[in-house]
Amino acid sequence: EAGVAQSPRYKIIEKRQSVAFWCNPISGHATLYWYQQILGQGPKLLIQFQNNGVVDDSQLPKDRFSAERLKGVDSTLKIQPAKLEDSAVYLCASSLDLGNVGDTQYFGPGTRLTVL
Amino acid sequence: GDSVTQMEGPVTLSEEAFLTINCTYTATGYPSLFWYVQYPGEGLQLLLKATKADDKGSNKGFEATYRKETTSFHLEKGSVQVSDSAVYFCALERYSSASKIIFGSGTRLSIRP
Repeated sequence: EAGVAQSPRYKIIEKRQSVAFWCNPISGHATLYWYQQILGQGPKLLIQFQNNGVVDDSQLPKDRFSAERLKGVDSTLKIQPAKLEDSAVYLCASSLDLGNVGDTQYFGPGTRLTVL
Repeated sequence: GDSVTQMEGPVTLSEEAFLTINCTYTATGYPSLFWYVQYPGEGLQLLLKATKADDKGSNKGFEATYRKETTSFHLEKGSVQVSDSAVYFCALERYSSASKIIFGSGTRLSIRP
């Protein structure tokens, strides 16, 4: 079974530029998550989709971050314009979400963003 | 709000030593609890989980017991190996309409040969 795919793996941009990340979840997984992991910290949820609807985007800085999951499969996360503090690893995860507690989330390798 | 606190690293041990990484949580109700591991250059992987009080999760020689009375989920291994060197994250899950995981800040573990 293929895992969660993310691209690019690394990205370096200058502040005020824009950037986009792509995620393809495990086939059949209804729920998709984007996390931000700043160096030395645990992942923090940015946005959560169930199929193509947003379940939780309470921690997404909506003035500069946006995300979509068209057709309920793959997803893109965009930052425009980027700030220095956006330097982090952006993780995508997916889960079956059959309505059971303890449902396992599977993580992709992440995209490491450096903003100069 | 819900939160997870785990011991700060880095933790450095010799091979075959006993490992404990402490984790406590604050949450209403009875969340599921997890340990995730991040090996160098790799993504996060689920190591073990427990979904109710007194459950013991185990995998690859690691164990953790869900202690409701102390709100803890400490990770233990009797004899660590160099290959266990990684960052370990304790986490809890809230479930309403969908699963939401809250992570601790991570503990870096280094094992000396």
